[in-house]
Amino acid sequence: DAKTTQPPSMDCAEGRAANLPCNHSTISGNEYVYWYRQIHSQGPQYIIHGLKNNETNEMASLIITEDRKSSTLILPHATLRDTAVYYCIVRVNAGGTSYGKLTFGQGTILTVHP
Amino acid sequence: GAGVSQSPSNKVTEKGKDVELRCDPISGHTALYWYRQSLGQGLEFLIYFQGNSAPDKSGLPSDRFSAERTGGSVSTLTIQRTQQEDSAVYLCASKLLQTDTQYFGPGTRLTVL
Repeated sequence: DAKTTQPPSMDCAEGRAANLPCNHSTISGNEYVYWYRQIHSQGPQYIIHGLKNNETNEMASLIITEDRKSSTLILPHATLRDTAVYYCIVRVNAGGTSYGKLTFGQGTILTVHP
Repeated sequence: GAGVSQSPSNKVTEKGKDVELRCDPISGHTALYWYRQSLGQGLEFLIYFQGNSAPDKSGLPSDRFSAERTGGSVSTLTIQRTQQEDSAVYLCASKLLQTDTQYFGPGTRLTVL
C-alpha cells in the first residue's frame, strides 16, 4: 500500500466545514483512497473512498486531485461528534481477491470546538 | 440494519487465565477480521476468515492465541494463559467479499492484571 502523509492535528469550529488533507504522491494507478475515522473508545468507522473521481455520501465528500497525488476529505458541517482521529489509506481494492488487512498510520486528530 | 457486535465490551482478568472474546459479524458478510489496538497505537492484524477457506493466521502473536468461526458467522478469539502485554482493545471487522469496506465492531477492552 502506498504511503500517506497527514497533518497530526487540526481544529474546526462547529458548523463550519472541516477540510482534512492527505498526500499520497506514490499512489499507483489501481490504488484507491480510503478514509476511516476512530472516535475515542470506539471501533474505526468507514467514511468514504474513491479512485479518481470526486465522491460524496451522507457523511462526507472526497476531492482527489487530477494527478491523484493528494486528496481532501470534507465534512461540510462539522459537529462536536465529528471529533476523532481521521485516517487516510491508499490501497488496492482487495474485494474478491486477497484478504485486504487494514493498516493505519498516525492519522489526523480533528478537534471540533463550539 | 445491525452492525458488528462484540462481547464482552470490557474484560478484566488475572494473568494466566484464559479468555474468550466473541464477534457477531454483519449478516451475509463472509469475510471476518480480528485486530488488536494497544493504547495510542495503530491496528495490529491478527487473523482473517473468508467463507470455508483456511483462515490466515499470520498475525497471531503467539500460540496462546487462537480463533475459530463456526458456521461461517460468529467468531471467537481465545487467548490462553493471558499475559499483561495482551492488554489491548480487540476489534472485529467484517465485509462482503466483493467489496473492500470493513465494518468494525465496538471492540472488547481486555485488561490483564
